[in-house]
Amino acid sequence: QITLKESGPTLVKPTETLTLTCSFSGFSLRDSGVAVGWVRQTPGMALEWLALVYWSDDKRYSPSLKSRLAITKDIPRSQVVLRMTNMDPVDTATYFCVHRRPLYGLFSHWGRGTLVTVSS
Amino acid sequence: DIQMTQSPSYLSASVGDRVIITCQASQDIGNFLNWYQQKPGKTPKILIYDAAYLEPGVPSRFSGSGSGTDFTLTISSLQPEDFATYYCQQYDNLPPIFTFGPGTKVDMK
Repeated sequence: QITLKESGPTLVKPTETLTLTCSFSGFSLRDSGVAVGWVRQTPGMALEWLALVYWSDDKRYSPSLKSRLAITKDIPRSQVVLRMTNMDPVDTATYFCVHRRPLYGLFSHWGRGTLVTVSS
Repeated sequence: DIQMTQSPSYLSASVGDRVIITCQASQDIGNFLNWYQQKPGKTPKILIYDAAYLEPGVPSRFSGSGSGTDFTLTISSLQPEDFATYYCQQYDNLPPIFTFGPGTKVDMK
């Protein structure tokens, strides 16, 4: 059974860097085809894909946010970490960790999400 | 960048109604289109993948069709548990990029 769980701060100040951790189980990022990433949902309910890291360590980012994002994986700990720099109030959202189904372009499993508010 | 639009953004319907939601891509995406359902307080759940394939476990009243730039999600007979928000999502493989539509909220009339 695949599970994912996000952790990190609930409140960050403008210009700060957000660091979120996804702890997962039920699969390994050593396995060919596996990928884990992040999707956020704004208070207005819009969904936005942010980043993805593959078993091969290939990393992909949303073109509009690429300069602010960094995603890394820690295989022994079964964790994926997302860093987003220069946070702004418009980045206030619920951040979901997601598992991409191998060979398909869909997110089959989602963490419960963590609400991050950006405010001074 | 590929942009996704959905219509309507809001739909009021009754149990038993046939519901059709459309999703349009700004350029040809083949059949690289998925549909999700999200209920309040829950995470999105995959319903249809690659435009027309029903995810195992999803009721057969849900169906998807389309290719290129125009896609539809159809609920043949709306059930009480189907009141939710529906999102389309396109993907590119080269390079991997994923884009969601803005969503369609299906509410009870």
